[in-house]
Amino acid sequence: QQPVQSPQAVILREGEDAVINCSSSKALYSVHWYRQKHGEAPVFLMILLKGGEQKGHDKISASFNEKKQQSSLYLTASQLSYSGTYFCGTEQNAGNMLTFGGGTRLMVKP
Amino acid sequence: EAQVTQNPRYLITVTGKKLTVTCSQNMNHEYMSWYRQDPGLGLRQIYYSMNVEVTDKGDVPEGYKVSRKEKRNFPLILESPSPNQTSLYFCASSSTSGNNEQFFGPGTRLTVL
Repeated sequence: QQPVQSPQAVILREGEDAVINCSSSKALYSVHWYRQKHGEAPVFLMILLKGGEQKGHDKISASFNEKKQQSSLYLTASQLSYSGTYFCGTEQNAGNMLTFGGGTRLMVKP
Repeated sequence: EAQVTQNPRYLITVTGKKLTVTCSQNMNHEYMSWYRQDPGLGLRQIYYSMNVEVTDKGDVPEGYKVSRKEKRNFPLILESPSPNQTSLYFCASSSTSGNNEQFFGPGTRLTVL
């Protein structure tokens, strides 16, 4: 079953912050985050494992609440280059197939 | 350069005409999979393969076939394409010994008339 992402779309001004949520009805082993620019393939951002700590690089970070089966992606001081569609992917067990959410379309305006 | 390649990148065909989309990776990855991407539905897995000669159905396998005779190649076969298979298709690979980070190919845009 697909994880549910919210919001479906968000428009920001440069420098603003955003949070994208990913929720699953099943127990999870890991949550992946990917970003897809228009006309391109999805690109891996980070993975959060059960029992692991919050991850981040640059001004993009994420958390994983195992009890709630939820993950959140935090984009701080957004840049134009952050525009794209963000997908979460969930694994129920290590090495299992990845199930992706429906995506969140993010647009950053000058 | 480490990469996943797909061919063709664009294809327009007619209902019922068998076609194959090729996928190849040069990273010696064990795990390969096919996804289709449709507006509002995200990426849905069609088939995946944990290793050579091992394939399994994903969420939307109907109307598709795959084979994994070599580690590097994972072709997607549409025996009798129909208009509802018009979509953007991505092949992906990952290492089972790593964190399962998926490396995606550039995509194949298929239109079935």
